Amino acid sequence: DAKTTQPTSMDCAEGRAANLPCNHSTISGNEYVYWYRQIHSQGPQYIIHGLKNNETNEMASLIITEDRKSSTLILPHATLRDTAVYYCIVRVAVLTGYALNFGKGTSLLVTP
Amino acid sequence: ETGVTQTPRHLVMGMTNKKSLKCEQHLGHNAMYWYKQSAKKPLELMFVYNFKEQTENNSVPSRFSPECPNSSHLFLHLHTLQPEDSALYLCASSTLSGGEETQYFGPGTRLLVL
Repeated sequence: DAKTTQPTSMDCAEGRAANLPCNHSTISGNEYVYWYRQIHSQGPQYIIHGLKNNETNEMASLIITEDRKSSTLILPHATLRDTAVYYCIVRVAVLTGYALNFGKGTSLLVTP
Repeated sequence: ETGVTQTPRHLVMGMTNKKSLKCEQHLGHNAMYWYKQSAKKPLELMFVYNFKEQTENNSVPSRFSPECPNSSHLFLHLHTLQPEDSALYLCASSTLSGGEETQYFGPGTRLLVL
């Protein structure tokens, strides 16, 4: 199972872009990179996922390096409501379902 | 998001009580999951159901008993729990279509065992 490494915490000023890095140097060719976030005591919220190409949706952009050993989640204009723990997860197959291995994530604090 | 709902949102129970947590998904998914999140610990997978069949039991004690009557509903029956079972219990669902599968989570049930 590919493991991920994220910084423990980050700060970002409101209105600025938040760039959250993730290292997954042992990722295999058919494993996807998923990003979730969890606001205190709530269920995790899906943000975005990708395999090789960069992806963008209404919430964020995902930049994956060409060698796929690392990625960056970009929140283009962070707001106070983006304060949460952000999890970078490499998908693991468990029979026909799959387990999301949530690590410790990055605690993002968006400040006024 | 209201795609996955969980009831109750908060539950306090004694060690001799029997209670059940309920999860319902309105997304047309065919796989459902129970996760446990203890204080300051990562989420842990407990059970996986695919098409109503349990396919994963992650060494969960028998005092936790899951039930999946159909692909939209998932229950977690609790009996003779211990205080260390106090945690946030999260339900998730996904579509099994091979390749890309995204899990969507409910808001969770905050359980306190006294």
